[in-house]
Amino acid sequence: ETGVTQSPTHLIKTRGQQVTLRCSSQSGHNTVSWYQQALGQGPQFIFQYYREEENGRGNFPPRFSGLQFPNYSSELNVNALELDDSALYLCASSSLLQGGGTGELFFGEGSRLTVL
Amino acid sequence: AQSVTQPDIHITVSEGASLELRCNYSYGATPYLFWYVQSPGQGLQLLLKYFSGDTLVQGIKGFEAEFKRSQSSFNLRKPSVHWSDAAEYFCVGNDYKLSFGAGTTVTVRA
Repeated sequence: ETGVTQSPTHLIKTRGQQVTLRCSSQSGHNTVSWYQQALGQGPQFIFQYYREEENGRGNFPPRFSGLQFPNYSSELNVNALELDDSALYLCASSSLLQGGGTGELFFGEGSRLTVL
Repeated sequence: AQSVTQPDIHITVSEGASLELRCNYSYGATPYLFWYVQSPGQGLQLLLKYFSGDTLVQGIKGFEAEFKRSQSSFNLRKPSVHWSDAAEYFCVGNDYKLSFGAGTTVTVRA
């Protein structure tokens, strides 16, 4: 158990809809990052939040957005869903290291999104 | 681009045999490096990490990895594989964000 919980665990949406995924960080961690893992591939970095502000982003379009709350929990929002958005979405919490790198990440078990 | 590469997509090994998974990195400075394991239906679990110092790193479940700057490598090893080691293994590099390798699937045969 990592102490990182994600909800929902599974969901099905149709093209064009919007989805919100939620993540509760491990206690004491101030950084949360989100990853998309398509079937048979490694996780791809979406973005990272530190103290409620985005401080890093991967190659994802603006329709992927997020929030981090004062209690360090987080949301991932995806608008105008496309079929290719079907994937496992992973949330990870960590503490930012001196020098800017992220220390050990603790992952949740993910939210599996299917877009029809 | 700064990244990690796992050259082997799939490895099959007999139970009790040794295992080595390759990872190469391309970063200007020494990155933070990790190995994670993902078992079917389970989340990603950290096996070990390298930040600095001793280049031979011990992890959980009997795994170890060696950081070799001259070869830009961070290979994962286990002397004797158990059937429960069948999983997907990811080498991960981190400067300001995590970059996952494509993963290596390990199959263990009896």
